[in-house]
Amino acid sequence: DGGITQSPKYLFRKEGQNVTLSCEQNLNHDAMYWYRQDPGQGLRLIYYSQIVNDFQKGDIAEGYSVSREKKESFPLTVTSAQKNPTAFYLCASVLNQGTGELFFGEGSRLTVL
Amino acid sequence: AQSVTQPDIHITVSEGASLELRCNYSYGATPYLFWYVQSPGQGLQLLLKYFSGDTLVQGIKGFEAEFKRSQSSFNLRKPSVHWSDAAEYFCAVKNSGTYKYIFGTGTRLKVLA
Repeated sequence: DGGITQSPKYLFRKEGQNVTLSCEQNLNHDAMYWYRQDPGQGLRLIYYSQIVNDFQKGDIAEGYSVSREKKESFPLTVTSAQKNPTAFYLCASVLNQGTGELFFGEGSRLTVL
Repeated sequence: AQSVTQPDIHITVSEGASLELRCNYSYGATPYLFWYVQSPGQGLQLLLKYFSGDTLVQGIKGFEAEFKRSQSSFNLRKPSVHWSDAAEYFCAVKNSGTYKYIFGTGTRLKVLA
């Protein structure tokens, strides 16, 4: 079945460490997104990518980095510069940017110890 | 700037009762509108979407939503709630000319047996 796979599901990190969250899709979607979810704040956009080797900052990109070397993959690195990284991270993709809806992965929960 | 408001943070209804979740958006042109549902620790699943045409949209799991341009609203309804509907619901809006999807802060639904 086609879908979006995020890994790991749970991740613990010590302060000062960088961590990378994986997002892979086999839907042949062009655009991919990373959102951060905190209780009571909804989903906030970190980065998005419309095509391979191109990506744009979202509303809360500081302390995060991404790459898009392959159409199906859009990993997110949470760097030590992110002051409050503990959150639930959601990856999404869309086929047609004009009228399409986002498809979501199951999420990754990052906890900083 | 685009924005989405879900004024109700929590809603509690009895099983079998009707449900209406409110969503208001701020945007000049005709937006693309979505409702998603999220179970704890999971990703988001699309319930329904509106792009154009009939302003009453039918979705999965017996949900429907009505687009009212004059009120800038896109409220979600269900005539009879089931215990399995307990979850968090997100309204989202997208501008046809951009790649950004804006989400509301969510409404958490509790269903009493």
